[in-house]
Amino acid sequence: QSVLTQSPSVSGAPGQRVTISCTGSSSNIGAGFDVHWYQQFPGEAPKLLIHGTNNRPSGVPDRFSGSKSGTSASLAITGLQAEDEADYYCQSHDSSLSGYVFGTGTKVTVL
Amino acid sequence: QITLKESGPTLVKPTQTLTLTCAFSGFSFNTSGVGVGWIRQPPGKALEWLALIYWDDDKRFSPFLRNRLTITKDTSKNQVVLTMTNVDPVDTATYYCANLVPRGAFGGFFDYWGQGTLVTVSS
Repeated sequence: QSVLTQSPSVSGAPGQRVTISCTGSSSNIGAGFDVHWYQQFPGEAPKLLIHGTNNRPSGVPDRFSGSKSGTSASLAITGLQAEDEADYYCQSHDSSLSGYVFGTGTKVTVL
Repeated sequence: QITLKESGPTLVKPTQTLTLTCAFSGFSFNTSGVGVGWIRQPPGKALEWLALIYWDDDKRFSPFLRNRLTITKDTSKNQVVLTMTNVDPVDTATYYCANLVPRGAFGGFFDYWGQGTLVTVSS
């Protein structure tokens, strides 16, 4: 029951810039709730990557950045590296559902 | 540092009740604003938020599973327990607990996650 829609997959060569979109609605992203991003490697738990739209926890490289506009948000990875190959999820809060919502997930492949 | 760890059965039969425990350290429900949530992930699928309990015992549930979920906390033991009734094979998933950092009156993000526990529902 994901209410945040993400592109299923994106790919890029090492060093390139890729962006992951997260589309919501007027009850979540469009309502002004923050968007957060998680990175997940196979067999591992998700790890917080970006919080509050564009804040990186300590240890997260600055090649990861986030933005938000209207009912959508984006995660950009600049200078793509092989170690960035993972699944990425956006997350926000939804006022209609009175709860937390995750995106459908995007698989990033490094060519 | 903050750590969380989930525990519970690995195999549950359909229609049974699933009980999962999250044991954590590095923070306490005695601190205002603290919350612990449960999130699950079916094999090969996306994350799904299930429930959350706050330091003041306020609780939130996914509207899609509200009538099947119960969440409680034991402040003295630093534990949170999630129960899910009437499980079905579609409930097969890895179940995670995570520490919530609240943002405003609503909203927030999960900054620390447990390793997850895989629960299979099968007869």
